[in-house]
Amino acid sequence: DTGVSQNPRHKITKRGQNVTFRCDPISEHNRLYWYRQTLGQGPEFLTYFQNEAQLEKSRLLSDRFSAERPKGSFSTLEIQRTEQGDSAMYLCASSSRGMGPTDTQYFGPGTRLTVL
Amino acid sequence: QKEVEQDPGPLSVPEGAIVSLNCTYSNSAFQYFMWYRQYSRKGPELLMYTYSSGNKEDGRFTAQVDKSSKYISLFIRDSQPSDSATYLCAMENTNAGKSTFGDGTTLTVKP
Repeated sequence: DTGVSQNPRHKITKRGQNVTFRCDPISEHNRLYWYRQTLGQGPEFLTYFQNEAQLEKSRLLSDRFSAERPKGSFSTLEIQRTEQGDSAMYLCASSSRGMGPTDTQYFGPGTRLTVL
Repeated sequence: QKEVEQDPGPLSVPEGAIVSLNCTYSNSAFQYFMWYRQYSRKGPELLMYTYSSGNKEDGRFTAQVDKSSKYISLFIRDSQPSDSATYLCAMENTNAGKSTFGDGTTLTVKP
């Protein structure tokens, strides 16, 4: 399967614990995005990388959230001291940004986080 | 007020019907417009994207953009039960690396 993969698919944790999610993009894609989606809402942008550089972070991304993309390949999203409001689907997408003004983002299946 | 507003539905139609899905937006900097389909507990899947005002057709799907009215539509002809999903519109500013999504319209096509 050459699509975007995310692990784990589901995570249940207790409030206050730290969690880490992983995203493996399509291999030749240089851009990687993280979104958060809650029930009945569209995906909300969190952050994105071009290669290993984190180019933009949303105001939604509090200091409890950190994302990395070492070596410009896979990415991790860590949430520290989880809160019940963090319960959501965390989506990763990748794209190949060329010379054109935009690109096509391919989404992974998401990691569903439940904070008890 | 959200930058992108989408009719929430739910929308239920009989098989074979023509479906119209709509979004409005307030940010005139949006230049690219996308429609995604999302099945339950799956990630969004890109259906169509368009840049200019006017129509773009792909099989049973037609995307329509009216930049002057800040209004976009997706039409599905000859709808099938397999089209039952949530449809998300999304928009992008050419200078931004992110998409801004609507909240989705849930469509059910009944056999």
